[in-house]
Amino acid sequence: KNQVEQSPQSLIILEGKNCTLQCNYTVSPFSNLRWYKQDTGRGPVSLTIMTFSENTKSNGRYTATLDADTKQSSLHITASQLSDSASYICVVSAQYNTDKLIFGTGTRLQVFP
Amino acid sequence: GAGVSQSPSNKVTEKGKDVELRCDPISGHTALYWYRQSLGQGLEFLIYFQGNSAPDKSGLPSDRFSAERTGGSVSTLTIQRTQQEDSAVYLCASRGQGKNTEAFFGQGTRLTVV
Repeated sequence: KNQVEQSPQSLIILEGKNCTLQCNYTVSPFSNLRWYKQDTGRGPVSLTIMTFSENTKSNGRYTATLDADTKQSSLHITASQLSDSASYICVVSAQYNTDKLIFGTGTRLQVFP
Repeated sequence: GAGVSQSPSNKVTEKGKDVELRCDPISGHTALYWYRQSLGQGLEFLIYFQGNSAPDKSGLPSDRFSAERTGGSVSTLTIQRTQQEDSAVYLCASRGQGKNTEAFFGQGTRLTVV
């Protein structure tokens, strides 16, 4: 079983709509959680990073939430744009080894006009 | 440069040949990571460096894979006797000191073994 699981695997929405991506993790004790956006053919780019004491963090139209008790995070995208089409990857670090980044398999989002 | 640089961007090689992939991290970044991403799949951890040492090599799939880092900067990932299943995008990332620092990725090297 993966230590970081994301859902859904893929998602299609219409431009202008909102969507929420989920990340569940079992990594413990937890140190921090990152959300990355990966455009096709490019390396991942960081959207947010949250520590266990943070519940929410925004970056423009992207808002990440974290519940360290239930080990769940979500990434909410508001008023989606065509350029939001990408893979969104949840990455978790553990306190016992903050250098090791544990990646989820990602959610593939497609935004259609 | 300002970002993580990887070379070559594309590499086509014949089965059985050796290849070297290079990563130039952001200057001053102490941690350096190598990942592999097959088509349509998630990122697969290979190895990471803290300075010149590699505390975790657990992701290297076989002894045909090796990596080194010199001077706390440039890293090379070497694949010997390449196989078709080695075809993938190899991504490198670097991070500065501190547990909550960002990891910045390069654009990757697309390796095709024919």
